[in-house]
This record gives sequence, structure tokens and C-alpha cells, in this order.
Amino acid sequence: AQSVTQLGSHVSVSEGALVLLRCNYSSSVPPYLFWYVQYPNQGLQLLLKYTTGATLVKGINGFEAEFKKSETSFHLTKPSAHMSDAAEYFCAVSSSGGYQKVTFGTGTKLQVIP
Amino acid sequence: EPEVTQTPSHQVTQMGQEVILRCVPISNHLYFYWYRQILGQKVEFLVSFYNNEISEKSEIFDDQFSVERPDGSNFTLKIRSTKLEDSAMYFCASSPSRVEQYFGPGTRLTVT
Repeated sequence: AQSVTQLGSHVSVSEGALVLLRCNYSSSVPPYLFWYVQYPNQGLQLLLKYTTGATLVKGINGFEAEFKKSETSFHLTKPSAHMSDAAEYFCAVSSSGGYQKVTFGTGTKLQVIP
Repeated sequence: EPEVTQTPSHQVTQMGQEVILRCVPISNHLYFYWYRQILGQKVEFLVSFYNNEISEKSEIFDDQFSVERPDGSNFTLKIRSTKLEDSAMYFCASSPSRVEQYFGPGTRLTVT
């Protein structure tokens, strides 16, 4: 069984400030972890993924996330928020076996204040 | 860059009617998926499809749902007799490797 918990359904940051979106996961097998972004009226775009190897993964648009097994976390960060980062962000987990159905968190809406 | 496409973008249907949602996965991908997102809720897995058969399905994917890959490019989701609670955004996804999945823009289904 696998699950994802995203802390904070809404996060507001000032333009230029650090973005930190929190995600904790549960998985009975080694997980694959993902962050997706959804802009209004659009589909889900893959930001970054962790499968194996380096625990700090870099994605598009300056985002990165760190896999911390001991904390079962995969928090998403960006050093400096831009207005265009305003969107909903979903953390997701799949298992390293089977057909990799993805289990999503409930999402965090990021607001960037000018 | 190749993308997953879905048609129509918005479908309105009456309760009890059949609907077919269409998807064109990325051409060299082998694994296909449907998810749905009821308004205000999280994205939920419906079904995965590989080698012309269902590989996994959720408890949501009951007998009123079916999937098909009728030719080499399309991947469809059929709902035989729609209910009000089927109103949702339906996302198709495809994957080359069973790791990352690439999602389409979604079809918003409204059942009245």
C-alpha cells in the first residue's frame, strides 16, 4: 500500500522568497516519488522524479526535491519564487514493482504575492 | 516535444448515456493509464493497460467502465451508463518505462 500526505493545502510566498512544499509518503516497497504541477485548466506536468541514486533531484523551472528515507519525506523547494510558479503542486508515489499506478496527494496551491 | 492528447476537452452528457473519452498516447510508449479528479479532490487511479490488456484496476473501475486500444494510436475509456458522480476531469497518461508517466490535458466530463 502507498500513500502521500501533503502538508498545507494553500501556501503563500512573496515573489523572490523561498518556496517549500512539504510531502511525506508511505510505501511498503522502495518508492518512486514525483512532483507534478497543474496550472489552471491544464493537465499535470512532471516537475521532477526520484527513482534511485542521488537523493537530491533537480527538475524543471528551478525546482528541486530531496528524498529523505529516514523522514519518509520528499519536500519540494525553489530558492526564489516567480509569479509564474503560481499553480497547484501534487506530490505522488508509485512502487518500484508492478505497473506503477501513481498515488497522488491532495495537492498544494501555491500563491505568489508580488 | 511529444505530448499526450485527449479529446474532447469537455463532454456534457445526460445520466444513463454512454460516453467515450479518447486519448492519443505518446507514440513509443507502451503503458497506458486513466485517472480521474473529481472537483476539489485528489487525482485517483482508475486503470493501467499494457500489451492489450488491463494490468491493474482500482475499485472505482467497475463494470460500467472499459478501456480499449482499438488501433495503434488511440486509447479509449468508455463509461456505459453515466451517473452524476462520474462528473470529473479524466486524465490519460502514458509511460515508456513504467517509471514516469506523462499526462494529457484532461477531459472534463459533466453528467446532468
